[in-house]
Amino acid sequence: NAGVTQTPKFRVLKTGQSMTLLCAQDMNHEYMYWYRQDPGMGLRLIHYSVGEGTTAKGEVPDGYNVSRLKKQNFLLGLESAAPSQTSVYFCASSFTTSGGAIAKNIQYFGAGTRLSVL
Amino acid sequence: ELKVEQNPLFLSMQEGKNYTIYCNYSTTSDRLYWYRQDPGKSLESLFVLLSNGAVKQEGRLMASLDTKARLSTLHITAAVHDLSATYFCAVDWDNAGNMLTFGGGTRLMVKP
Repeated sequence: NAGVTQTPKFRVLKTGQSMTLLCAQDMNHEYMYWYRQDPGMGLRLIHYSVGEGTTAKGEVPDGYNVSRLKKQNFLLGLESAAPSQTSVYFCASSFTTSGGAIAKNIQYFGAGTRLSVL
Repeated sequence: ELKVEQNPLFLSMQEGKNYTIYCNYSTTSDRLYWYRQDPGKSLESLFVLLSNGAVKQEGRLMASLDTKARLSTLHITAAVHDLSATYFCAVDWDNAGNMLTFGGGTRLMVKP
């Protein structure tokens, strides 16, 4: 019962380094999302995807890039890490119920990646 | 810009007591979600409220939605220690279930 899997779980970067966070889901969901969570704050949407090959900007996209080459994977890249990007990153995926029911679109979350940029 | 505010931000309560967490939002939406997050863990869906007047209950938790007042409440009845967690509300601002704006969270601590 994997659900949404994020790798790595922890990472420490130096300012200016780059890295990629991987999110994989095995639920055949169309939608995938990347959020960041800072202390005492709710989650803020970075980028999202409504299907393979598509991506869109969320609330706080600056400094991040994403790709969705395969339906099950959603990658988040930091090209030149900054201390302001120290955060916990969550990936989520969702489906929308169909068949006449009101869409629920519950988002299922990964366990998170704790990133520190020094 | 949609703003979602929860209060209180922190709640310490004794086992057996009742309390309510409030979630206010700034623009029209008919859809609201409640999530639970345990320390160091991911978010888990608790309730999905899809229309005005919606009420959902699970165990000691009951959530309701008043879209006219732009208010949702999460009521805790006879709290137990296992309910200690951070609770987030999230408002769906595209009314298609895709885009959520989260409140800042309410950290609940239930003392024996």
